[in-house]
Amino acid sequence: EIVLTQSPGTLSLSPGERATLSCRTSESVSSSYLDWYQQKPGQAPRLLIYGASSRATGIPDRFSGSGSGTDFTLTISRLEPEDFAVYFCQQYDSSPQTFGQGTKLELK
Amino acid sequence: QVQLQESGPGLVKPSETLSLTCTVSGGSISSYYWSWIRQPAGKGLEWIGRFYTSESTNYNPSLKSRVTMSVDTSKNEFSLKLSSVTAADTAVYYCARAVVGTADFDYWGQGTLVTVSS
Repeated sequence: EIVLTQSPGTLSLSPGERATLSCRTSESVSSSYLDWYQQKPGQAPRLLIYGASSRATGIPDRFSGSGSGTDFTLTISRLEPEDFAVYFCQQYDSSPQTFGQGTKLELK
Repeated sequence: QVQLQESGPGLVKPSETLSLTCTVSGGSISSYYWSWIRQPAGKGLEWIGRFYTSESTNYNPSLKSRVTMSVDTSKNEFSLKLSSVTAADTAVYYCARAVVGTADFDYWGQGTLVTVSS
């Protein structure tokens, strides 16, 4: 199965700063099949980005995704207080679909 | 507004079968992929499998021998059965929806904690 490695494990930033989260896959993944999710404590994940770069319904434009092949990035241009959460990447180019271990974005 | 709600026992004994149901409201259960995903405490997400029709199911190979999924369209519900559970199956279990042909999970249930313990 394809392994997704996210870095850093924890990112400490302040509101208004820019966040850059990385997701590296063990094999090349079509960008059409790479998603990003946000999860807050006690809540289910929420779809942020699908197809590597398309924002899901209702997602603010400060969230953007990019990348191809084995390297993908989620960028949050200006952090808002509600953005501090855990972020997961997911691939479904190859079965079984798999998730990264997550990046925790914490308040500095 | 589509809503998903998981239900089932919160405690299951080792070697027994875990059974969960996901009730879908605000939309039809037809014409979508329905998946189960689990998350052990403090850990990442593991896809268990998905159901579309009885002829179109796809399970994670790591769990395939123990998993059965089904849909009851008359009740707008889909279900998960996981047999021969151990403590390693303790997790929050989520149901989630995706458009056919994708695994972009656009709607999720709130999750239900299942603990395997005697």
